[in-house]
Amino acid sequence: QVQLTESGPGLVHPSETLSLTCTVSGFSLTGYSVYWVRQPSGKGLEWMGRMRYNGDTSYNSALKSRLSISRDTSKNQVFLKMNSLQTDDTGTYYCTRDPYWGQGVMVTVSS
Amino acid sequence: DIVMTQTPSSQAVSAGEKVTMSCKSSQSLLYSENKKNYLAWYQQKPGQSPKLLISWASTRESGVPDRFIGSGSGTDFTLTISSVQAEDLAVYYCEQYYDTPFTFGSGTKLEIK
Repeated sequence: QVQLTESGPGLVHPSETLSLTCTVSGFSLTGYSVYWVRQPSGKGLEWMGRMRYNGDTSYNSALKSRLSISRDTSKNQVFLKMNSLQTDDTGTYYCTRDPYWGQGVMVTVSS
Repeated sequence: DIVMTQTPSSQAVSAGEKVTMSCKSSQSLLYSENKKNYLAWYQQKPGQSPKLLISWASTRESGVPDRFIGSGSGTDFTLTISSVQAEDLAVYYCEQYYDTPFTFGSGTKLEIK
């Protein structure tokens, strides 16, 4: 069955880089697009970006300058890297492949 | 970027009542070549990941109760719950996938009286 599992550090210091991994099973990354969505605590959903099935990427306009999404198809993994983190980047980060969502990973940006 | 505006931000209804919520986009989500509206509705219950309810503006996902009804076209869309149940307590988001970057509305929080 289709599963997506996010992993990464729970705590990141301000100005540092966030690195998250989405490990998928039950489908091929060359057949489906995978998306990253985040949710600041107590707030709404924010679309971050997409790794398309063909390897193309798209990004949220406001995050584009500090966000990078990549993949390793042999490991069934999609990666998110975002630099220059600030406290308002705190929240839950999800990877998703419609209609499936991961459980999310909570990231806190704090010194 | 396409801006998605949801109203109201919250509403409280009694079980059994009908509820409607609105989602408006800053540009049309109707693709002329296939006549499809690139609009989805998600439900997020407290402490859970979002769940896709409806895609293509009106197509319910498998297993979604038929009390959830999506309608609309172009720039104006509506999610209707025909008879609200206690388990429908959640925040509902619309999302456009017509063009990247995809964008979400700010959500409508549904409370049960």
